[in-house]
Amino acid sequence: ETGVTQTPRHLVMGMTNKKSLKCEQHLGHNAMYWYKQSAKKPLELMFVYSLEERVENNSVPSRFSPECPNSSHLFLHLHTLQPEDSALYLCASSPGLAGGPAQETQYFGPGTRLLVL
Amino acid sequence: AQTVTQSQPEMSVQEAETVTLSCTYDTSESDYYLFWYKQPPSRQMILVIRQEAYKQQNATENRFSVNFQKAAKSFSLKISDSQLGDAAMYFCAYRSASNSGYALNFGKGTSLLVTP
Repeated sequence: ETGVTQTPRHLVMGMTNKKSLKCEQHLGHNAMYWYKQSAKKPLELMFVYSLEERVENNSVPSRFSPECPNSSHLFLHLHTLQPEDSALYLCASSPGLAGGPAQETQYFGPGTRLLVL
Repeated sequence: AQTVTQSQPEMSVQEAETVTLSCTYDTSESDYYLFWYKQPPSRQMILVIRQEAYKQQNATENRFSVNFQKAAKSFSLKISDSQLGDAAMYFCAYRSASNSGYALNFGKGTSLLVTP
C-alpha cells in the first residue's frame, strides 16, 4: 500500500483558501492520474499526465490546477473552491498509457478527503 | 462513452460462503480491459483482478474469479470462502484498449458486508 502516497489525507478549507494536494509514486511508473470520488457517483477522471506532459483534461474547472514536475510527483493546486468540490481525491499511476494491460493497469493512492466550507 | 453498471448497491455474505457481484457495461469496442477494484473503509483502492477482452479464459486470483461473458457484456466477480477482510466497496471498471481515452470508467460500486 505504499506504492502511491498522497498528502494530506484530510483537508478542510474555506472557499477563499489556496491549498495543494500532493501525490508521489514509488513504482517507477510514467503515467499519473487525478480522479474525483464523490458520494453516490462513479469516480471521475480529472487529469492524466504521461512523462510530465498533460495528455487529458476532462473539462475540469480552472479552480483545479494540476502540476507534474517529474514522473514521480503530481500536484493538484486548489483555489476558490466551492462546497460541491468536497470529495475524495484519488491519485493513481500506471507504468504507461499504452502497450497492453500490464502497462495500463492503474494503481491508486489512499486519497485526500477534502471538505470545502 | 462507455458506461459501467453495478446493479447491487449492497450485498451480504457469511464468512466462508461464496458471493457473486454483478457488473454489466456498454461499449461498441471489441478490445478493452475490465477490472475489479476493492476499496476497504478509509483505505486504499486495491486491484483485485483484471480481464482482457480478447481472452476467453476467465481470470482467477486465489479466491477471486470472474465470469466474463463478452456477448452479454457481463463481468461478474465471485469471491469464494469469504473472509472478514473482504468487507469493502467493490468497483467494476472498464478501460478502452484503443487509446481513445485513458480513463478507467467505474461503476458506482457494491458495498460488501461479511458477517461472522
